[in-house]
Amino acid sequence: EPEVTQTPSHQVTQMGQEVILRCVPISNHLYFYWYRQILGQKVEFLVSFYNNEISEKSEIFDDQFSVERPDGSNFTLKIRSTKLEDSAMYFCASKAGSSDTQYFGPGTRLTVL
Amino acid sequence: QKEVEQDPGPLSVPEGAIVSLNCTYSNSAFQYFMWYRQYSRKGPELLMYTYSSGNKEDGRFTAQVDKSSKYISLFIRDSQPSDSATYLCAMSAGSYGGATNKLIFGTGTLLAVQP
Repeated sequence: EPEVTQTPSHQVTQMGQEVILRCVPISNHLYFYWYRQILGQKVEFLVSFYNNEISEKSEIFDDQFSVERPDGSNFTLKIRSTKLEDSAMYFCASKAGSSDTQYFGPGTRLTVL
Repeated sequence: QKEVEQDPGPLSVPEGAIVSLNCTYSNSAFQYFMWYRQYSRKGPELLMYTYSSGNKEDGRFTAQVDKSSKYISLFIRDSQPSDSATYLCAMSAGSYGGATNKLIFGTGTLLAVQP
């Protein structure tokens, strides 16, 4: 069964450093999302991406965040200058054009020291 | 008022019990309702999906949506220890009014099924 994959599974970085989180969505999906979950809190929407552009972003997704689909398979989330409060699990999700259901990857645990 | 409310639990039941999990919501634009299961430090796994009001059954799982009351439920019959996880409700307005299918999640209910 096709699945969303994410790398790395765990990333440790120093405050102020740039990080790139990578996702490979399900191959025939057209809509891509990033969510985050701070430990003990609920899953929160960050950004949605369709047709090579951002279609919606949340208040959390400020100028420090960017997303890109650099080729036909990868979808990345970049945080330019990480803060302590960016420590969280980051989940990528994808959705087929004909469906209303999103499928999630296993997540990347980001730890900012 | 929070957009989606869910009792965080924990909920502890004996093996074989019927489990009832619930969420309420305030946004009448929500049309799509999902239940995800999440094991510790893993990604949410889709369990059930329902569009608009009604019931949907899949094996031991039944999802109910009552849009008039803004209330959704997930029932698990003959619960097993392997059902122990956090259950997340999630909902979306779809592409209504230009929305982009973003999911709004509840806080999750931690379920423990005791053998």
